[in-house]
Amino acid sequence: GAGVSQSPSNKVTEKGKDVELRCDPISGHTALYWYRQSLGQGLEFLIYFQGNSAPDKSGLPSDRFSAERTGGSVSTLTIQRTQQEDSAVYLCASSLDREAKTQYFGPGTRLLVL
Amino acid sequence: GNSVTQMEGPVTLSEEAFLTINCTYTATGYPSLFWYVQYPGEGLQLLLKATKADDKGSNKGFEATYRKETTSFHLEKGSVQVSDSAVYFCALGPLSGAQKLVFGQGTRLTINP
Repeated sequence: GAGVSQSPSNKVTEKGKDVELRCDPISGHTALYWYRQSLGQGLEFLIYFQGNSAPDKSGLPSDRFSAERTGGSVSTLTIQRTQQEDSAVYLCASSLDREAKTQYFGPGTRLLVL
Repeated sequence: GNSVTQMEGPVTLSEEAFLTINCTYTATGYPSLFWYVQYPGEGLQLLLKATKADDKGSNKGFEATYRKETTSFHLEKGSVQVSDSAVYFCALGPLSGAQKLVFGQGTRLTINP
């Protein structure tokens, strides 16, 4: 079946602009995660959604970062007033349910802030 | 806090060599342990996992055993191929109250023919 999909695959933006990154999880997966992969910081957790529960936002690096998950499926990660240090690969993952142990990752969105 | 420490790379081997990539962890509780692989230009793929002590995960000739007494989950393969060249990430989680995965820093593996 289809895996996790993300769009766009690449995004180049100017410092100060807002960007939106999209994630389509595997059908039927109720948990969705965003991570960031950057050269200096490795793989960092950003935010976690599970069903209708309040999201775990503990990994968001600043209030310029926000995420939504509509209808329990598609998620959008928004970065406002982008900075050069936001340049990274943004990875989305999904899993079956709260107790599931395996997260499946999408191909990522490579963001470059000039 | 919870953390994962991986063998520093890069690691360069010849084809058919034996591979070990060390991974140790610190965790409160009993997490599941994972190895993910990232091939050049691609996303993270689950390679193998183990959910409790003494479990052995295996896939594509790779193996790793969950060792609670040494808090380790070392990745091994008996005979590597050029196609195994990739970055390998050890990870733990989720743990009660925190569903995220905690990753090691990654180990870049290059296999020469």
